[in-house]
Amino acid sequence: AQKVTQAQTEISVVEKEDVTLDCVYETRDTTYYLFWYKQPPSGELVFLIRRNSFDEQNEISGRYSWNFQKSTSSFNFTITASQVVDSAVYFCALMEYGNKLVFGAGTILRVKS
Amino acid sequence: EAGVAQSPRYKIIEKRQSVAFWCNPISGHATLYWYQQILGQGPKLLIQFQNNGVVDDSQLPKDRFSAERLKGVDSTLKIQPAKLEDSAVYLCASSPSTVAKNIQYFGAGTRLSVL
Repeated sequence: AQKVTQAQTEISVVEKEDVTLDCVYETRDTTYYLFWYKQPPSGELVFLIRRNSFDEQNEISGRYSWNFQKSTSSFNFTITASQVVDSAVYFCALMEYGNKLVFGAGTILRVKS
Repeated sequence: EAGVAQSPRYKIIEKRQSVAFWCNPISGHATLYWYQQILGQGPKLLIQFQNNGVVDDSQLPKDRFSAERLKGVDSTLKIQPAKLEDSAVYLCASSPSTVAKNIQYFGAGTRLSVL
């Protein structure tokens, strides 16, 4: 059965620090997709990135970067030079055939000024 | 482009009462999802529609929850009667189709408190 584990319940950093959010997944499929979503206090889940299982290239978007490693079933998310506006709950999710998203429990990130 | 609209934002009811939530997906999106997010957990899929047909309702507690999407556009999720454990945020999402890999876009949710 598919499963997503985000072992870090809560992380606190000081502004401008780098922070990495961990995500480990389990699936029997060879074709799947991984996602990261951000949930600010307003409640809306905001899409950040999608990665398919055949593309292990790391990706960078501004201060955000993602490290996908199939060998360890991990899809970690790093924020460089964190800002107060990055404070939110971050969810990692796995999608297999059928478009069903399975979410991890989320990591609360608190960035203090 | 307008996002996914949900109403109401907040609802407080007593146990055994009924409640309904409304969702209007992004224009042109064929697939609509309802998720339940209990405090401290990730969202869990309740039901998925493709146009006005149900694709997956395997995790919907059908004895008390119902959902419809009659004209293939907006949708209503109902709980009748509500239990204390139904306190959660109910999120609606939409995507262009059921093709795997499609990004799901979420609304702000309805926060339900059952007293």
